Amino acid sequence: GNSVTQMEGPVTLSEEAFLTINCTYTATGYPSLFWYVQYPGEGLQLLLKATKADDKGSNKGFEATYRKETTSFHLEKGSVQVSDSAVYFCALSGGAISGSARQLTFGSGTQLTVLP
Amino acid sequence: NAGVMQNPRHLVRRRGQEARLRCSPMKGHSHVYWYRQLPEEGLKFMVYLQKENIIDESGMPKERFSAEFPKEGPSILRIQQVVRGDSAAYFCASSNLPGTSGSYEQYFGPGTRLTVT
Repeated sequence: GNSVTQMEGPVTLSEEAFLTINCTYTATGYPSLFWYVQYPGEGLQLLLKATKADDKGSNKGFEATYRKETTSFHLEKGSVQVSDSAVYFCALSGGAISGSARQLTFGSGTQLTVLP
Repeated sequence: NAGVMQNPRHLVRRRGQEARLRCSPMKGHSHVYWYRQLPEEGLKFMVYLQKENIIDESGMPKERFSAEFPKEGPSILRIQQVVRGDSAAYFCASSNLPGTSGSYEQYFGPGTRLTVT
């Protein structure tokens, strides 16, 4: 079955530091890949996505590239801010058509704390 | 454009009582997903529904849990005879029709935090 392995946290960085959160996956076929962010007491917000190999998703300074050869989708940001403090989840879905493949499989989440 | 709505945001139940969690999808979305987040864990898929139809319930516990998405009104996740282990955050997500643009994107509600005492 599908699975997502995510870098364990917590991660603590100083403001303006470089961020990498590693994510690798196991899936049959060609999944779509996502990063979601969860702020305290809130639901998940879609941060960025990629639907095919070599696609780069980007949003709010965050980037991740769909690497089929390494089955990875690492999240990066060049300069983090205090407001980026949150839990980040890597996720995949099996496809857009098949009913049973549409569910999201999540990694365990990485808590990021950015200090001023 | 209103997002995914869930209520209540917080729910406290004693062991043995029933819990009903409601979810109204984003406007224009006809597909609903329920996920559970146990303390210190990631989200686990429970069930996927469209109007009047359960598409995939492979993540639902076999007993006490049920879900519906009627033709009119919100989707309901029902937990009968709750136990302490049911304490968790329950998130609903919605998406567009399969095959339409962006249909693989799921948008999440704020969640219902269930506490069983």
